[in-house]
Amino acid sequence: GAVVSQHPSWVICKSGTSVKIECRSLDFQATTMFWYRQFPKQSLMLMATSNEGSKATYEQGVEKDKFLINHASLTLSTLTVTSAHPEDSSFYICSARGAPELAWEQFFGPGTRLTVL
Amino acid sequence: AQSVTQLGSHVSVSEGALVLLRCNYSSSVPPYLFWYVQYPNQGLQLLLKYTSAATLVKGINGFEAEFKKSETSFHLTKPSAHMSDAAEYFCAVSPGGGGNTPLVFGKGTRLSVIA
Repeated sequence: GAVVSQHPSWVICKSGTSVKIECRSLDFQATTMFWYRQFPKQSLMLMATSNEGSKATYEQGVEKDKFLINHASLTLSTLTVTSAHPEDSSFYICSARGAPELAWEQFFGPGTRLTVL
Repeated sequence: AQSVTQLGSHVSVSEGALVLLRCNYSSSVPPYLFWYVQYPNQGLQLLLKYTSAATLVKGINGFEAEFKKSETSFHLTKPSAHMSDAAEYFCAVSPGGGGNTPLVFGKGTRLSVIA
């Protein structure tokens, strides 16, 4: 089956630093990737949609200069949280959608727990 | 626009009892519907999906769901709850065909299983 990985699985950083999270589709080409954040005991909130080779589309209220998304290849998207602050602490989950035969399904990564001190 | 409503943020059942998690959707086009399970500090695992084929869908771990267009529902059931079923469950909808449109998730239902 289609597998999506995320790295790191957890990260602790100091306030003011930047953190990069990688999302990889391991056995398929992901034409579209999505980034979500999830607060404790809440649902997933879509942050942005990215297509390979083009700029990400951010949801209303998500700061694009703070959450930099790069989808440089068909198997890799990165989310960089710039100048992280404690309120950015959250669980970040990516998902990927593939070629037409996989077009209707999103495959989710295992998530990255970010803690900003 | 699509939306999903999950009735009951927390459901508690006894081990061996029927599990029923409710999901209602709204969609302007024929939807694709999904149920995901999430264990603590983990990502989402697909339980089952409806993609306009059979209305009764069987998934993993003994779960199944029935698509009822007249009721705009896609409730998740399991005949006999297991302790290992305790987790967070999310219903999601997607307009048929996928593309750039992301899944829209419900708020989730936490299932507790009592021994």
